[in-house]
Amino acid sequence: GAGVSQSPSNKVTEKGKDVELRCDPISGHTALYWYRQSLGQGLEFLIYFQGNSAPDKSGLPSDRFSAERTGGSVSTLTIQRTQQEDSAVYLCASSSRTGGNYGYTFGSGTRLTVV
Amino acid sequence: DAKTTQPPSMDCAEGRAANLPCNHSTISGNEYVYWYRQIHSQGPQYIIHGLKNNETNEMASLIITEDRKSSTLILPHATLRDTAVYYCIVRVLTGNQFYFGTGTSLTVIP
Repeated sequence: GAGVSQSPSNKVTEKGKDVELRCDPISGHTALYWYRQSLGQGLEFLIYFQGNSAPDKSGLPSDRFSAERTGGSVSTLTIQRTQQEDSAVYLCASSSRTGGNYGYTFGSGTRLTVV
Repeated sequence: DAKTTQPPSMDCAEGRAANLPCNHSTISGNEYVYWYRQIHSQGPQYIIHGLKNNETNEMASLIITEDRKSSTLILPHATLRDTAVYYCIVRVLTGNQFYFGTGTSLTVIP
């Protein structure tokens, strides 16, 4: 597609349940990033995929968070046993290998609310 | 990646130029200055980037001081739709990620 697509756009879940968030990057972009943004806060880096290299998971806040990227394209961010502090907008971005001249292209995000 | 310092908020009258400052005193020689903005409820949007020369595109101008320790993003004729949080980021061109700070919340006033 023309841009980065994320689904669902909104997700309400009960505390303790697992959730999966999906990201479809721009076709041909080898790098994919997940960030999250809590209400009124800046963007917090979570994880980075680049081609077939091992992902940079240094930003994942706990072992309840995991992500995978299948076939070098679609990525899924999974949060197990969700907590209320997980409520945030989860943003996905993609870029070409070197970031090109435009850095990242972001999706519109998934707004996760844990009740 | 170098840290950046931006004022937390600014106002600008509609139609006037908005000048958003950014300090990056620890920037290294191979780090670029990038600007992104985030309009409410949307993902961040790329605006412009530069290394040491001033840059201009259809959205904005970027003025980088000679010592590269600070820069200014200029929106020449601000509109209400320019109300957003503006992030100044420095990183190498092939860096792994962008470190977003809390940015400057720009409010364009009618």
